[in-house]
Amino acid sequence: EDQVTQSPEALRLQEGESSSLNCSYTVSGLRGLFWYRQDPGKGPEFLFTLYSAGEEKEKERLKATLTKKESFLHITAPKPEDSATYLCAVDLPSSASKIIFGSGTRLSIRP
Amino acid sequence: DSGVTQTPKHLITATGQRVTLRCSPRSGDLSVYWYQQSLDQGLQFLIQYYNGEERAKGNILERFSAQQFPDLHSELNLSSLELGDSALYFCASSSSSGRGSEETQYFGPGTRLLVL
Repeated sequence: EDQVTQSPEALRLQEGESSSLNCSYTVSGLRGLFWYRQDPGKGPEFLFTLYSAGEEKEKERLKATLTKKESFLHITAPKPEDSATYLCAVDLPSSASKIIFGSGTRLSIRP
Repeated sequence: DSGVTQTPKHLITATGQRVTLRCSPRSGDLSVYWYQQSLDQGLQFLIQYYNGEERAKGNILERFSAQQFPDLHSELNLSSLELGDSALYFCASSSSSGRGSEETQYFGPGTRLLVL
């Protein structure tokens, strides 16, 4: 069964304390892996799309990487405004493409 | 502001009823996606339309249906509502067809549905 697992469920960091969020997947093929940020009560905000193992993308304090089995979202020197839930999702290459989301990591950055 | 609009913002109804949620995509976007987000199931992909045609189907119940109109807005119809249908329903749009092309999805603010 296709599955996406994110860890940890929740992460509390001090401002400036770098860390990584994990998204592991067991799927029957991968067209793309997406990272989103979601603030409470709002719609997800797109961050990155990764397509192949070894690919990396960066945006401000965030860097996403992809291997054959997992993706990492690295957060460097985070600020309180980086507090949010981070979601990953995979796009599967079935005849009718199917998108599966992980349950998310709730990130809290203390000043 | 993503440029995707959804109405209504909140909806309270009773079990057994039918409701319609509306989504207007960003200007120029041809694809519309519908998602359901509940506390116990997380964010689930329901269905995608591209330029008026159904393109992909996820975990959408038979009681739910959707369509995309010629002006590209989309409606999600939920019928015979149950308590478990209470959730946030998001619409997203993108300019791609979702068929191998790079795809950035822009999410709307959501419609919060409460079934009593």
